[in-house]
Parts: sequence; structure tokens; C-alpha cells
Amino acid sequence: GAGVSQSPRYKVAKRGQDVALRCDPISGHVSLFWYQQALGQGPEFLTYFQNEAQLDKSGLPSDRFFAERPEGSVSTLKIQRTQQEDSAVYLCASSLWETSGSSPGELFFGEGSRLTVL
Amino acid sequence: AQKVTQAQTEISVVEKEDVTLDCVYETRDTTYYLFWYKQPPSGELVFLIRRNSFDEQNEISGRYSWNFQKSTSSFNFTITASQVVDSAVYFCALAGYSSASKIIFGSGTRLSIRP
Repeated sequence: GAGVSQSPRYKVAKRGQDVALRCDPISGHVSLFWYQQALGQGPEFLTYFQNEAQLDKSGLPSDRFFAERPEGSVSTLKIQRTQQEDSAVYLCASSLWETSGSSPGELFFGEGSRLTVL
Repeated sequence: AQKVTQAQTEISVVEKEDVTLDCVYETRDTTYYLFWYKQPPSGELVFLIRRNSFDEQNEISGRYSWNFQKSTSSFNFTITASQVVDSAVYFCALAGYSSASKIIFGSGTRLSIRP
């Protein structure tokens, strides 16, 4: 499809397991964002990539969270030693916009990966 | 620090009524950007509008209109003649010029339109 694709849509993990969430952005989109959305809350910024460079990772809650985008396209968010408080929907978004001084543009979001940690 | 407050957690109105969703923001940046996104039950956030801080002109798009008031740090969203398909969670968001890649979202307002 032409939109942002995320997989898996649903993931159940036992506490302590490692998980990997994949994001396939819209082709040609330079910017890629990861957000965490807890139940009943707004999305919270985790990290931002421009091409393969991770320019902002200030929102990652701990060193158990790691994101990469090695070829400037597909991105993976990895959570090590999952804990119950990691249960949330993880949203990926992409955009044509890049940090060159222009106004931030529209973000195109995927449907998210819902992580439940037991 | 940047912050977006959507004080209305849930709103329920009857179809065809007008409804306004409130958004109040805080930022130290003199240049900043405001957004509204819609999140239907499918979960995928959909962009509605972006407003730059230096453009205080209000905007209308069909049944949707936005009222940006710098004096009160508000960016309210009005749906005229609401329809059942407008039912969703609506998020107001903010990005400061100094960290334009970091878009901060409010907690959202769940809007239910009853037939």
C-alpha cells in the first residue's frame, strides 16, 4: 500500500522478553518518527530520524529502548527486557519534511503496534 | 518547556449540532507551529491542519474551522453541523521552532456524535 506500514499490529510479550517493532514508511519520506501512546493518552515523542541519522532520541524512556534506520528507509524500534509499563501502542510516522529550517509538515501515521506486556 | 492542554476529555453531542474543541498551549519559542490531528477507531492519526505562529488568520475548511488567538494561547477547533463520521479522538499538537521535529501532543478530546 501507499501508507505507513507497521508490524506486528499486536504483540504480547512476557515481562523480560525483547521485542522488535517494524515501520515501513512512505517511499521517499526523509523523516521518520516514533511515538508511544498509552491508553487514553496522546502520543508521546520517542525519537526522530532524518534519513539514516537519528537526530533526536530525547524521548526514549530508558536505555532499554533502541531505534535504528540503517538504510534510511525501514526502521525498527527494539525494546529490551520489557516491563509492564512498556504496554502501549507504538506509532510510527513519516514525512517529506526535513529539518532545514522550513516549517514542519504533515506527519503520516501508521496504524500502530499494540504491545501488551504480561 | 512546551505543553498542550486539552481540558475536555470527552464531548457528546447530537448530530447536526456545532461543537468546539478547546486547545491551550505553552511555549517559550517565539516561532512555533500548531496542529490538529484526528484519530478514528482504526487508530491511524490523520492530519487536519497546521498553523504557523506568525499567521493568526483563522481558517475554514468545509464544516471545520480553527480559531487561533495568540493573546490567550489558544487554538480551538469547531465542527459545524456535526456528523456521526466526525466521531473520533482529536489531538491538538505543538512544535517549537527550536525543536521542530519534536511535536508535542495534547491528551486528546474524545468526540461522540449521536444520531
